[in-house]
Amino acid sequence: DVKVTQSSRYLVKRTGEKVFLECVQDMDHENMFWYRQDPGLGLRLIYFSYDVKMKEKGDIPEGYSVSREKKERFSLILESASTNQTSMYLCASSKTTGTANQPQHFGDGTRLSIL
Amino acid sequence: GDSVTQMEGPVTLSEEAFLTINCTYTATGYPSLFWYVQYPGEGLQLLLKATKADDKGSNKGFEATYRKETTSFHLEKGSVQVSDSAVYFCALSGNNNDMRFGAGTRLTVKP
Repeated sequence: DVKVTQSSRYLVKRTGEKVFLECVQDMDHENMFWYRQDPGLGLRLIYFSYDVKMKEKGDIPEGYSVSREKKERFSLILESASTNQTSMYLCASSKTTGTANQPQHFGDGTRLSIL
Repeated sequence: GDSVTQMEGPVTLSEEAFLTINCTYTATGYPSLFWYVQYPGEGLQLLLKATKADDKGSNKGFEATYRKETTSFHLEKGSVQVSDSAVYFCALSGNNNDMRFGAGTRLTVKP
C-alpha cells in the first residue's frame, strides 16, 4: 500500500514564525500536492509538483512556498505565519501514467494552529 | 475551469437506511471521477472511481455510475451502518492530473 507520511499531526506556532510542514511518500510517485481543508470549503490546492525541483501554484498559493529537492519529499513552507493560516493541511501523491488519471493518496493531515 | 458540486450536508440517517449523495461536475474533455471518504481524525481515502462514461465504481457496498449525459456521479449505498459515518468528497481529475474536490458531505448514521 502507498504510504504518505506527514511529519506532525498537530502543530501550534506563533504569528510571524516560519513554519515547515514535511511530507514523504514511499511509492516513487512523480506527483505531489499540498491542500488545505477548511469547513464548508472542501480541499483547496496550494501548490503541486510533477517532478523533482519543479513546482506549480495551485488556487491559493499566497503566503506559502514549497520545496521538492528529492522525489519522495515535498515540503510546505509558511514564510511568516498568520492566524488565517490556521487550518488542516493535507499532503497527497499520485503516479503519472499514460492512461486514465490515477487517484491521489493522502497523508493523515497536520492540524496547524497559529496563535 | 473544472469544478464539482456535491449535495450539502449534514446528512443524518438511521442504520440500514438507503443513502444517496448527489454529485455533479463541469469539465472539458473526459475526466476521471472519484469518491473519497474521510473518517474522523484521518486523511482522505479513495472509496471508488470511474474513468469513463457508464463505468460503475463500487467498494464496501457503495456504488456510483459515471453519467456523461447528466454530468453526474451520485454515491449510493443500500443499507448504511454506523461505521459509515464520515465525510464524503466527490472529485474529478482532468487533463492535468490535478484534482478538483467538492465541499464534502458529512454523514452521520444513528443506531
